[in-house]
Amino acid sequence: QKEVEQNSGPLSVPEGAIASLNCTYSDRGSQSFFWYRQYSGKSPELIMSIYSNGDKEDGRFTAQLNKASQYVSLLIRDSQPSDSATYLCAVNTNYNNNDMRFGAGTRLTVKP
Amino acid sequence: EAQVTQNPRYLITVTGKKLTVTCSQNMNHEYMSWYRQDPGLGLRQIYYSMNVEVTDKGDVPEGYKVSRKEKRNFPLILESPSPNQTSLYFCASSFGVTGGHHTEAFFGQGTRLTVV
Repeated sequence: QKEVEQNSGPLSVPEGAIASLNCTYSDRGSQSFFWYRQYSGKSPELIMSIYSNGDKEDGRFTAQLNKASQYVSLLIRDSQPSDSATYLCAVNTNYNNNDMRFGAGTRLTVKP
Repeated sequence: EAQVTQNPRYLITVTGKKLTVTCSQNMNHEYMSWYRQDPGLGLRQIYYSMNVEVTDKGDVPEGYKVSRKEKRNFPLILESPSPNQTSLYFCASSFGVTGGHHTEAFFGQGTRLTVV
């Protein structure tokens, strides 16, 4: 079982729609969760971090964390063509080290 | 400008010829890591470092070496590269742990390595 799993996609949504990206993780002791966006050929860049159960909103982006169910999601409202990218879920599994695990990523396409 | 700088950006080499990919950060970060990214597999951690002279293996350390002699630098060394090490490599750094949680990682521009 992979430690961090994402729906592989590709995911395609029309412009203006809500895009929903999901991620599950296997280590129940995980404490820190991140969503990164990666454009083709570029390096990952942080969209949002989340550490506590519930929702965290930043502009058009909302991260949701449910530690009991071991999943974290990212909602993108009013999706724009510029949101077309691969979204990576990352989880730090151990407080005492820097062992960060990434999902394989979900490719999102927003169609005009 | 706060950044993580990797060099070279592109490298084609032959099997067995030792190479080093450099990584430097100017943010005074404690933590640094190396990842490789392959299609369908996502980012996999090769090695990480939590401080000077403190390094540890990640998911896929075989065939790689690292050193952390200075806080800002974290070079990745391939002593005898093989074709299965052809990949896109990223260096990343982060402040570490604050408030009981890990902070975000900042990534370098990437190094595309081809071993023939």
